[in-house]
Amino acid sequence: QSVLTQPPSASGTPGQRVILSCSGSSSNIGRNSVYWFQQLPGAAPKLLIYTTNQRPSGVPDRFSGSKSGTSGSLAISGLRSEDEADYYCAAWDGGPGGWVFGGGTKLTVL
Amino acid sequence: QVQLVQSGVEVKEPGASVKVSCKASGYTFINYGTHWLRQAPGQRLEWMGWINAGTGNTKYSQKFQGRVTITRDTSASTAYMEMSSLRSEDTAVYYCARDNYEYSFDYWGQGTLVTVSS
Repeated sequence: QSVLTQPPSASGTPGQRVILSCSGSSSNIGRNSVYWFQQLPGAAPKLLIYTTNQRPSGVPDRFSGSKSGTSGSLAISGLRSEDEADYYCAAWDGGPGGWVFGGGTKLTVL
Repeated sequence: QVQLVQSGVEVKEPGASVKVSCKASGYTFINYGTHWLRQAPGQRLEWMGWINAGTGNTKYSQKFQGRVTITRDTSASTAYMEMSSLRSEDTAVYYCARDNYEYSFDYWGQGTLVTVSS
């Protein structure tokens, strides 16, 4: 089953810009949109980015998404302490698994 | 406001079945789809399947095909996920999430912990 690959951890200081990466393949990110979710401890995931670079209403414009080839990226600018969370990427895969997710990146705000 | 409220904690023995509900409010249930996903402790999110709440059409991950059944009750604005032949590896938090047909996973339920243990 296809999966997406994310670095397990990332960190930044308040005010900094950080970029989280998500590596896939031609069957998922290569041909479909990337989604990004934020998950705080003990809470359900929250949609941050859909169709690669769109934000749902209520999500600050500090969060932005992009894609190049088979990789997606989530940029967070003006880092804040409340951004400390787990971040997951996802994409539709044309194979038997359907939607595939990354293993998540734990973002620490130093 | 849109809300998805899931049923409570379940503790099941291996081999049993579990049925988790997801009650929708704040929108017209039949005009949207509902996904089911799960997250085992310390693991990545895993997509299980989806239902078109209007037509009842379903789509499943091959991993869960035959062991998971997703249904809905339009009169109760509720979607259900039933899993059979439970094993310890099925211990996880199970989530429902809405699909608005423009994009997916815009609203999530609070999650339901299912523990499988003898």
